[in-house]
Amino acid sequence: NAGVTQTPKFRVLKTGQSMTLLCAQDMNHEYMYWYRQDPGMGLRLIHYSVGEGTTAKGEVPDGYNVSRLKKQNFLLGLESAAPSQTSVYFCASSYSSRVGGTEAFFGQGTRLTVV
Amino acid sequence: AQTVTQSQPEMSVQEAETVTLSCTYDTSESDYYLFWYKQPPSRQMILVIRQEAYKQQNATENRFSVNFQKAAKSFSLKISDSQLGDAAMYFCAYRRYGGGSNYKLTFGKGTLLTVNP
Repeated sequence: NAGVTQTPKFRVLKTGQSMTLLCAQDMNHEYMYWYRQDPGMGLRLIHYSVGEGTTAKGEVPDGYNVSRLKKQNFLLGLESAAPSQTSVYFCASSYSSRVGGTEAFFGQGTRLTVV
Repeated sequence: AQTVTQSQPEMSVQEAETVTLSCTYDTSESDYYLFWYKQPPSRQMILVIRQEAYKQQNATENRFSVNFQKAAKSFSLKISDSQLGDAAMYFCAYRRYGGGSNYKLTFGKGTLLTVNP
């Protein structure tokens, strides 16, 4: 069982280039999230999705777009990369439960450097 | 908005000793969940322990336990018999109760734990 898989694991972009980070989960989870991790800042939520075809903004959405066309996939796009988007990006997923304090399951992270 | 504060950017402990990591949070909710995640150098986020706010009993998982003080909005993590493999960044996180957008996690900035042999 692979869990949450992020592609790619590392990437270097030039300012102004675009790219898409792919997140795939095989746990049939309803909810998926994209976070960024910066030194001294913890993890901050970029966008999230509570189901196929739905997305919502998190704490730091500017400069990013997302899509959830299939339940198992959540894509994060950078249309015009900026050095401020240099970060480690984490995808996570969780299932919905009326009674459970369900934790989020995380991918391995993607280290993105924008030069 | 909920906030999570970890006031100790770095901590160190001798192998086999006990260490406590602090976490406070701010919320107006009465029902919620709290988590401690561990991030070793591999970067993988690993759930250490979870606490439901409606439970008065503190959660424990082997050498890991929490001191949950709801009135004080405090959620500290105690690691007993520290091992070299415990060295990692530790994040405290909060989640509201309920479904939909409540499933978002709010993280603290983390505490880097060093274990000295």
